[in-house]
Amino acid sequence: EPEVTQTPSHQVTQMGQEVILRCVPISNHLYFYWYRQILGQKVEFLVSFYNNEISEKSEIFDDQFSVERPDGSNFTLKIRSTKLEDSAMYFCASSKDRHTEAFFGQGTRLTVV
Amino acid sequence: ELKVEQNPLFLSMQEGKNYTIYCNYSTTSDRLYWYRQDPGKSLESLFVLLSNGAVKQEGRLMASLDTKARLSTLHITAAVHDLSATYFCAVLPNAGGTSYGKLTFGQGTILTVHP
Repeated sequence: EPEVTQTPSHQVTQMGQEVILRCVPISNHLYFYWYRQILGQKVEFLVSFYNNEISEKSEIFDDQFSVERPDGSNFTLKIRSTKLEDSAMYFCASSKDRHTEAFFGQGTRLTVV
Repeated sequence: ELKVEQNPLFLSMQEGKNYTIYCNYSTTSDRLYWYRQDPGKSLESLFVLLSNGAVKQEGRLMASLDTKARLSTLHITAAVHDLSATYFCAVLPNAGGTSYGKLTFGQGTILTVHP
């Protein structure tokens, strides 16, 4: 069964460093998303991406964050100058269109020390 | 801004008992999703509810949607330990809106089933 895959599963980084989280969405999906879940809290929307551009972003998704689809299969989230409060589980998701079910990857746990 | 509220947030159940988790949302939507999350794991899709009156059942779980009341329920029948997890509802605004697939999640209900 097709699935969304994310790498790495766990990333530890020093405060101030840049990280790139990677995702391979399901191949025939056109909409891609990043969500974040701080430990013990609810899942929060960060950004949606369609047709090689950001279609919607939340207040959390400020200039520190960027997304890219560098080739036909990968979808990345870059976090510049990481802060302690960026520590969270980051989920990538994809859907066929914006009105249908999103499928989530297994997540990348980011720990900023 | 769309708000999604679940209750209860914590639910401790005995095996064999029944209970219902409620999900209220604040805007017009006929697309609601239930997900299960085990500790440290991803979100597993449980139910997709796409119209008023939709009811879906899988094993001991049954989900329903009342779009007029802006309410979805997740009913647990004869709970077993394996159902212990966190359950999230998530709402997608109606088609025709400007939202590009943005799901708004409830806070989650932590379910613990004990003997």
